Amino acid sequence: DGGITQSPKYLFRKEGQNVTLSCEQNLNHDAMYWYRQDPGQGLRLIYYSQIVNDFQKGDIAEGYSVSREKKESFPLTVTSAQKNPTAFYLCASSNSARAAGELFFGEGSRLTVL
Amino acid sequence: GENVEQHPSTLSVQEGDSAVIKCTYSDSASNYFPWYKQELGKRPQLIIDIRSNVGEKKDQRIAVTLNKTAKHFSLHITETQPEDSAVYFCAASKWGSSNTGKLIFGQGTTLQVKP
Repeated sequence: DGGITQSPKYLFRKEGQNVTLSCEQNLNHDAMYWYRQDPGQGLRLIYYSQIVNDFQKGDIAEGYSVSREKKESFPLTVTSAQKNPTAFYLCASSNSARAAGELFFGEGSRLTVL
Repeated sequence: GENVEQHPSTLSVQEGDSAVIKCTYSDSASNYFPWYKQELGKRPQLIIDIRSNVGEKKDQRIAVTLNKTAKHFSLHITETQPEDSAVYFCAASKWGSSNTGKLIFGQGTTLQVKP
């Protein structure tokens, strides 16, 4: 069953701890993205990657880090430097990094900082 | 950078009525404008998109219009049904020789269709 898988679905973290959210896709897509969703603020871009071993900051990259060592994987680390990390995180992928096309989203990961 | 403003934030209509959601964008070089629908507890999914070389596009009960001069685009849903109730997001991006690969979303509109 092809698609994009995020884990965990729910995550609780204590202040000061780093946490890594997993995103895996088996769609053979080149581009992958991380968005943060907060009520009333839409989807805000954290990081994106158009090709393996390369990624760019989005609009709200501070306090986050990513890696793209494999085409199918794009994990997001929420560091202790992120001042307000409680949010719903969505990973997405698209077929081409060079042409406009549909984003396929995962089911999301809800992070709560206690 | 690109900024996308979406209005209204909430919209309530009676079943069978039409619904219109409007978005404006700031970067005149943006050339791709998709709309995503997110049902409660589910992932966003593409419902329709339009490129800057087209002024209007229709797909059954939904349509999107684009005014490049005014830098705004709109989603029109006719004959609304309860299953249209969801959060709708507009987005804009710039593709071409200097494409950035960034899709910038609006703030979202919560549409409620009352039976």
